Amino acid sequence: DGGITQSPKYLFRKEGQNVTLSCEQNLNHDAMYWYRQDPGQGLRLIYYSQIVNDFQKGDIAEGYSVSREKKESFPLTVTSAQKNPTAFYLCASQSGEGFQVGFGQGTRLTVV
Amino acid sequence: QKEVEQNSGPLSVPEGAIASLNCTYSDRGSQSFFWYRQYSGKSPELIMFIYSNGDKEDGRFTAQLNKASQYVSLLIRDSQPSDSATYLCAVSLPFQGAQKLVFGQGTRLTINP
Repeated sequence: DGGITQSPKYLFRKEGQNVTLSCEQNLNHDAMYWYRQDPGQGLRLIYYSQIVNDFQKGDIAEGYSVSREKKESFPLTVTSAQKNPTAFYLCASQSGEGFQVGFGQGTRLTVV
Repeated sequence: QKEVEQNSGPLSVPEGAIASLNCTYSDRGSQSFFWYRQYSGKSPELIMFIYSNGDKEDGRFTAQLNKASQYVSLLIRDSQPSDSATYLCAVSLPFQGAQKLVFGQGTRLTINP
């Protein structure tokens, strides 16, 4: 089945640790995005990538890093510099036609 | 002023009635408008998109766009308990030579049997 797969579904991070969230898509989409959602709030853009080996900062990129070495994959690393990382992280992709964006099932990250 | 604003609710509607969800946006450069449904603990699901002024109908859902008033709405007819969810309005904006989606904070809708 075509879709966007995020893993893990739940992730626990200790203070000072870096963690990496996985996002894979088999939809042959060029553009991929990472959003963060806090309780009772909308989604905020962290990073996006329009093409392999290129990515751009979104509105809240501080404390995060990404890579786009393959079209199918867009992993997000939450670094120790991100002071408030507890949130629901959503990966999304967009086809070249129109601007319809679909989401993976999300990763819920908690700092312990 | 927020780029996309929604009433956070909760909005409570009896089963079978029409639910009306509203959204305003600040950037007149916005070209595409989307409604997502998000169940608790789940990721958003696209239910409607609209690009042109006027109404767009899909089953029990109707999206309405008024670019002059910078207003987009979603009507849900014959509301069902399964429609109870948070509805996110999203608007595309020019961003660094590309486009990005900006989301409102969502309206929580409850359909009462």
